[in-house]
Amino acid sequence: AQSVTQLDSQVPVFEEAPVELRCNYSSSVSVYLFWYVQYPNQGLQLLLKYLSGSTLVKGINGFEAEFNKSQTSFHLRKPSVHISDTAEYFCAVSKASGYALNFGKGTSLLVTP
Amino acid sequence: DTEVTQTPKHLVMGMTNKKSLKCEQHMGHRAMYWYKQKAKKPPELMFVYSYEKLSINESVPSRFSPECPNSSLLNLHLHALQPEDSALYLCASSPSLTRAGYEQYFGPGTRLTVT
Repeated sequence: AQSVTQLDSQVPVFEEAPVELRCNYSSSVSVYLFWYVQYPNQGLQLLLKYLSGSTLVKGINGFEAEFNKSQTSFHLRKPSVHISDTAEYFCAVSKASGYALNFGKGTSLLVTP
Repeated sequence: DTEVTQTPKHLVMGMTNKKSLKCEQHMGHRAMYWYKQKAKKPPELMFVYSYEKLSINESVPSRFSPECPNSSLLNLHLHALQPEDSALYLCASSPSLTRAGYEQYFGPGTRLTVT
């Protein structure tokens, strides 16, 4: 079965600083990878996804992620964060042959002035 | 329209009450999902509907009863809940179960408190 590990439960960062949220996956089959963001008291919103092709994926709100098959990672990055990026971020994986999403435990990003 | 709507936003119910949560999407999606999310945790899948038929029940207690009246609507009927059922209930939809790679579109959730 495929699974996801988000290596940091909390990431504090100052406004305008760069940030990386780490995600590693394990699977014996081809997978699709997703990053979702959840703002306080809201549902989940897709930031970006990797299905195939270019390993560098650009998403909304200035986020990007790089798929690294050899390191089984899909880390999320943003070069300069805003206060409004404060939220919970979930990495998720699905089998290339299936629909079910397996979520990581989430990383809480806290951006302070 | 890429929106999934959920009503109500908040619900407080006693353990003997019967209530329902509603979810609606008009994206033509044929797969719809119910998730339960506790604070600071990822969503946990409860039910999956495909073409209005229940495809997956993740061993959810019978006090939760899903219903899919048509391709746009998904309900979750609640009866005799326990305080530990208090959580954010999220609805999601995706174009299909039969092709992978589709993201799921989530609604804003219903915050349920069982007293």
